[in-house]
Amino acid sequence: NAGVTQTPKFQVLKTGQSMTLQCAQDMNHEYMSWYRQDPGMGLRLIHYSVGAGITDQGEVPNGYNVSRSTTEDFPLRLLSAAPSQTSVYFCASSDLGADTQYFGPGTRLTVL
Amino acid sequence: GENVEQHPSTLSVQEGDSAVIKCTYSDSASNYFPWYKQELGKGPQLIIDIRSNVGEKKDQRIAVTLNKTAKHFSLHITETQPEDSAVYFCAARDRTGRRALTFGSGTRLQVQP
Repeated sequence: NAGVTQTPKFQVLKTGQSMTLQCAQDMNHEYMSWYRQDPGMGLRLIHYSVGAGITDQGEVPNGYNVSRSTTEDFPLRLLSAAPSQTSVYFCASSDLGADTQYFGPGTRLTVL
Repeated sequence: GENVEQHPSTLSVQEGDSAVIKCTYSDSASNYFPWYKQELGKGPQLIIDIRSNVGEKKDQRIAVTLNKTAKHFSLHITETQPEDSAVYFCAARDRTGRRALTFGSGTRLQVQP
């Protein structure tokens, strides 16, 4: 049972480039979410999903897209990266009926 | 929306001493309050949580207290050990379908041997 996995661990992009951050979980959790972590600000919710085919916006969704075609995977897409998106990104998952959210190890993204 | 404030931002204690981290929240409808520990280069890991119908919860050296009237909750770590050194985050969850966690800004705890 690998839990929540994220790839890549590190990524450097140039302004305007696109990329997809991958997130997968093997716990059959319905709920998955993406957070970004910036220094001194805690974690902020970007997008979330309560099941395959269902996604919605969180607190800071601008510049990011998501989709949920399977229960296991919840990729986060940056269509045109900006320096303001330099951050550490965490994916999390949980059962809809449970409180505990499990976090992945994170992806550190730098946009030059 | 919910707003969570966390204090202090840094905390240094001697091994064996107790450490207390405090958080306040703004939304009286929030009903779930977890605490996460984050070690360098890793994702947050849940260490203890409390629901709004409970005033205190303990798990070995860790305890959390909740005061709904004052809208604040605290993490207490007793008999601290060097491996307790990490960044600790409090969070509050709203009752909407988002199930979103609103995080505090974190406390860097350093336990001096």
